[in-house]
Amino acid sequence: GQQLNQSPQSMFIQEGEDVSMNCTSSSIFNTWLWYKQDPGEGPVLLIALYKAGELTSNGRLTAQFGITRKDSFLNISASIPSDVGIYFCAGQLRSGGGADGLTFGKGTHLIIQP
Amino acid sequence: DTGVSQNPRHKITKRGQNVTFRCDPISEHNRLYWYRQTLGQGPEFLTYFQNEAQLEKSRLLSDRFSAERPKGSFSTLEIQRTEQGDSAMYLCASSLGGLLYGYTFGSGTRLTVV
Repeated sequence: GQQLNQSPQSMFIQEGEDVSMNCTSSSIFNTWLWYKQDPGEGPVLLIALYKAGELTSNGRLTAQFGITRKDSFLNISASIPSDVGIYFCAGQLRSGGGADGLTFGKGTHLIIQP
Repeated sequence: DTGVSQNPRHKITKRGQNVTFRCDPISEHNRLYWYRQTLGQGPEFLTYFQNEAQLEKSRLLSDRFSAERPKGSFSTLEIQRTEQGDSAMYLCASSLGGLLYGYTFGSGTRLTVV
């Protein structure tokens, strides 16, 4: 199946630091989404990107949809303790037509050190 | 609470038993998706309904897996003759008209097969 390569796998940072993570694929995606998942819960949507080159912010979060439609990044500025969790990128394939559902990366585990 | 509701939250079953999970989507959402998430991985798309029609089921993991949405509202996912490898989190998501209109996940059902 299609794969999204998400990196880094985990990040150990200190409170107040900025965070950057990204996803790449060999396939073209129509849509990129970034989710955060807390233990025992479902993913919660952070940012959705619908156009190549689009740069979107949501508070301290900023994400971009790559020009080639094959990559995206998520930045978190001035991290705080509640940012701890697993961040997933997800995309819908260009050929999907909606019925393919979303393809997810393996996640970036963000850990904030006191 | 008008989010996506999944029941039960946890299910422990013996190998070989059948299990059924329920998902109640956001009431005005016509699209409903099932995903499976194993430990350390992102969610994996299984199947998709638009109203009561199951438009994609080729991703169901085996013929032991089946899903229904008889009246276009709630949905059930059944696993027959469970195996230990079926242990995972089963997530449901719903949307109104696809990714542009609020693709929301439930909290999931955690299945443990012993």
